[in-house]
Formats: sequence, C-alpha cells, structure tokens
Amino acid sequence: GAGVSQTPSNKVTEKGKYVELRCDPISGHTALYWYRQSLGQGPEFLIYFQGTGAADDSGLPNDRFFAVRPEGSVSTLKIQRTERGDSAVYLCASSLGQGPNEKLFFGSGTQLSVL
Amino acid sequence: AQSVTQLGSHVSVSEGALVLLRCNYSSSVPPYLFWYVQYPNQGLQLLLKYTSAATLVKGINGFEAEFKKSETSFHLTKPSAHMSDAAEYFCAVSSDTGRRALTFGSGTRLQVQP
Repeated sequence: GAGVSQTPSNKVTEKGKYVELRCDPISGHTALYWYRQSLGQGPEFLIYFQGTGAADDSGLPNDRFFAVRPEGSVSTLKIQRTERGDSAVYLCASSLGQGPNEKLFFGSGTQLSVL
Repeated sequence: AQSVTQLGSHVSVSEGALVLLRCNYSSSVPPYLFWYVQYPNQGLQLLLKYTSAATLVKGINGFEAEFKKSETSFHLTKPSAHMSDAAEYFCAVSSDTGRRALTFGSGTRLQVQP
C-alpha cells in the first residue's frame, strides 16, 4: 500500500508482558515518529527518527519503552513489563524529513490493551 | 515550551451551518500551526498548516483557518457543514527550535446533525 502501515491493529496483553509494535513508513520517507494517544486526549510525542538514528527520544516515558529503526525504514516500538497505564493507541507517522513545518502521514494506529 | 488549548471537546452543528473549532496556542518562538482530522478507524490527515506565509490558510474539504498573533489563535472554520465532516479535529504546534515533535491539543469531536 501507499500509506503508513501499523501492525497489529489491536494487541491485548497481560500486565508484565513484553510487546512489540511495528510501523512500515511510506517508501522514501526518512523521518519516522511514534506518538501515543490515550482515550480523550490528543497524540503525545514519544520518539523521532531521522534515518536509522533516534534524533529525539525525549517523549519516551521511562526506560521500559524503546524503539529501533535498524535499516532506516521499518520501526519497532518495544515495551517491557507492560503496565495497565500503557493502554493506549500507539500512532506512527512518517515524512520526508524536511523540517518542523512539514506534513506528517499517520498510520491507523495499534490499540494496545494491558489487562 | 509549547502548548495548545482546544475549547470545546464536542461541537454539534446542523448540516449547512457554519463550523467554528477553536484553537489557542502558547509558544515562545514563532510557531508553525496545523489542523489534523481523524475519521473513524483512519489515521490523522493534515487539513491545513500555517508556516508564516499568508495568515489566512485554506485547506482541503473547504476548511480554512486564520492565524491571529495578537490573540494567539488559529481557529478552524468552514462556511457550510456537511455530514461527511463528522470527525475529530486536532490542532497542533511546532517551531524552529530544533525539535520536530508536534504538540497536539486534546481534540474537538464535531457532530453534524441532519
């Protein structure tokens, strides 16, 4: 497809488990972002990649959260020892990497539910 | 630090009526401002953005927004609502501080009554 793809669309896990969320950006987009959207709130920034490197990870809430983008394309958000408070929709976005005023292309998100 | 306030978490209008969704921002440097729309089961889509050119910005689907520095506002309007406009709308801000992160408001859900 031509858009940003996120898998799975839904993930249910138990407290304390490890989860991985995947994002396939638009081909050729060098910038990739992860946001988290809790119920009734706007998206909150987690991390931004330019190419393979994390250029800004200041939004990661704690060291249980980690993200990688080893080949500068697909990215994986990893959450260790999940907590009920991690339940949210995790959004991925990509862009051409031209600056802070550019358009972001968002995926449909992964709904994470921690029981 | 930057922040965005969207007044009214829910707005209901009749089909054909004016749509006005309010956004106020706080930024210590000149901002870039955006409106994104989220339809059910879809990703956020850019409606329009302000990047310091014209203060009146026209977007897709007949929406427009006006940047008013004196009021620190970037309200979204559409002259005549259509049923297909029912969605959640998010205002967001960024700037040339070296950070790429967008700061989003909490969103306004627009309901259009027939």
